[in-house]
Order: sequence, then structure tokens, then C-alpha cells
Amino acid sequence: EAGVAQSPRYKIIEKRQSVAFWCNPISGHATLYWYQQILGQGPKLLIQFQNNGVVDDSQLPKDRFSAERLKGVDSTLKIQPAKLEDSAVYLCASSDRDTAALHFGNGTRLTVT
Amino acid sequence: QKEVEQNSGPLSVPEGAIASLNCTYSDRGSQSFFWYRQYSGKSPELIMSIYSNGDKEDGRFTAQLNKASQYVSLLIRDSQPSDSATYLCGKYSSASKIIFGSGTRLSIRP
Repeated sequence: EAGVAQSPRYKIIEKRQSVAFWCNPISGHATLYWYQQILGQGPKLLIQFQNNGVVDDSQLPKDRFSAERLKGVDSTLKIQPAKLEDSAVYLCASSDRDTAALHFGNGTRLTVT
Repeated sequence: QKEVEQNSGPLSVPEGAIASLNCTYSDRGSQSFFWYRQYSGKSPELIMSIYSNGDKEDGRFTAQLNKASQYVSLLIRDSQPSDSATYLCGKYSSASKIIFGSGTRLSIRP
């Protein structure tokens, strides 16, 4: 079974620039999550999709972050404009049903200078 | 109070000993709990899931859940240097999203 795929692995941008991350979940997994993990902290949920609908985006800074999941499969997370405090690892995860464990991708490490 | 609380550590345990990691949570309605291991620079990987009160064993790992006291723990027997990592405790909230603690750094000393 192929795992969760994410790209790019690393990204360095200057503040006020924009950036986009891509995620392809495990085939058949209806639920997709984007987490932000700042160094030394646990993952913080940004947005959760069920198929192509948003279940929870209460902690997504909507003035600068946006996410979509077209056709209920791939997802993109965008930041525009980026701030220094956005420097973190962005983790995508998927699960096949409610209450099931998450499977994480390798993450994208973002550095904002 | 945070939804999931863990001692950040580091927790230092001699090789071959038992490592005990603890996690407390709010929200008595939580039903599903997970332990993830995260090596430095890597993404979290699932070690154990537990849904019922009591113990669940898988090889050298035992997860314990006590819903009345609102805590979940992970025991690692015969600790190995390769067990050195950050251990994340996670639970499904009543809103059907997984919330993680800040993680406990475990160091196994030879």
C-alpha cells in the first residue's frame, strides 16, 4: 500500500511571498488532515476534510492560509503572504474512517526568512 | 487546561529498563487514543491505538487506558537505543478530530 505522498520536502521563501504544498492521501482514505508542527511542539490541526468537504478549519488562519481538496483525493495548502512564524513542518495525514489512526506523509519543512 | 497534556521530558532511561510515558486528557467523551513515535526530522508513525479501558500489548509496547482517571500511558519494555525519540499522545476529540499533546522526549542511555 502506497503511503501518503507530500511535496515538496523542503521550501525556503522570504516573508510576504506565497507557497503551496501538495498532498496525495492513501488510496480510498476519505479523511485528510493538514497539521502544522513547530519545532519542539506537537502537531496542530489546521484543517480536516471528509471527501471534498471541510469538517473543521477552526484553527486555520484564514486571512493567509487556504486549502482545497478537489474531487475528494489530492489536496493543496497555500500560504499567502507568509510570515516568519509560519516556519514549521506541514504534515498531511489521512485515515479511512472516523476514530481510525492517522497515516502521515513525510511532511514539508518550510523556512520563512 | 490543554486537551492533551504530556511531560516534555527529556526522560532518560537505561538500556534494558522499562520506559513509562504518561498522558492526561480533558473531555470525558474521548473514545480513541493513540501513541505515535517521532524520530528527529521525521514524521510521526503509529505505535499503538487503544479504545477500551485496560491494557493492550504489542511486542515490547503496552498501552494502558483509564477513562475514569482520564489518563493513558505507554510502557516500553527492554528499552533499546532505537527507542530514543519523541512520543506523541493523541486522542479523538468530541468534534471528531485528533488532538496531540506536545510530546515527551525519551532518551535511552546505553
